[in-house]
Amino acid sequence: GAGVSQSPRYKVAKRGQDVALRCDPISGHVSLFWYQQALGQGPEFLTYFQNEAQLDKSGLPSDRFFAERPEGSVSTLKIQRTQQEDSAVYLCASSLAGSPRPAGYTFGSGTRLTVV
Amino acid sequence: GENVEQHPSTLSVQEGDSAVIKCTYSDSASNYFPWYKQELGKRPQLIIDIRSNVGEKKDQRIAVTLNKTAKHFSLHITETQPEDSAVYFCAVSGGNTPLVFGKGTRLSVIA
Repeated sequence: GAGVSQSPRYKVAKRGQDVALRCDPISGHVSLFWYQQALGQGPEFLTYFQNEAQLDKSGLPSDRFFAERPEGSVSTLKIQRTQQEDSAVYLCASSLAGSPRPAGYTFGSGTRLTVV
Repeated sequence: GENVEQHPSTLSVQEGDSAVIKCTYSDSASNYFPWYKQELGKRPQLIIDIRSNVGEKKDQRIAVTLNKTAKHFSLHITETQPEDSAVYFCAVSGGNTPLVFGKGTRLSVIA
């Protein structure tokens, strides 16, 4: 597609509910990244894929967070048993280049998750 | 891991004046330094980037300078316009590591 597409755009979840956030990267982009952006803060790294391989998941805050990209294209970030501190905007970004030469990321519009 | 500090957190300038935002980083192996602009409720958008083999890059009213020895880089916006008002983020990468972002600078251009 023309850009990185994320869905849903907004999600309200009751505390304890499981949620799944979807990211459609730009076609052909090798690298895919998930970031969490709290209100008034910079994006914080969660996890990174190169094709279908999850190369780094060091930023996932707990074992309630899980991400996958089974066919090297669409990715899903799943949060189990959501808690209020999970409320944030979840940004997905993709990049044409794989390591070691970095390139600019193209971000999606994000999913704003509110846990009530 | 990499630590990125960004200053100032807020910046107000008169229309037509220049704005400068500075970032420092900790990992001397870092070699890629992009800047992103994020308008309220929108996605971060790449506005300029620089790699470690150059010291300065310019694109119309926007420029970035890099001092690898001191481990800092700066965004310069000249002739600011109201549409430059946004939050600006610096970021740093070491090549095969994901971008680490600063906490952002809220720029307000006053007409």
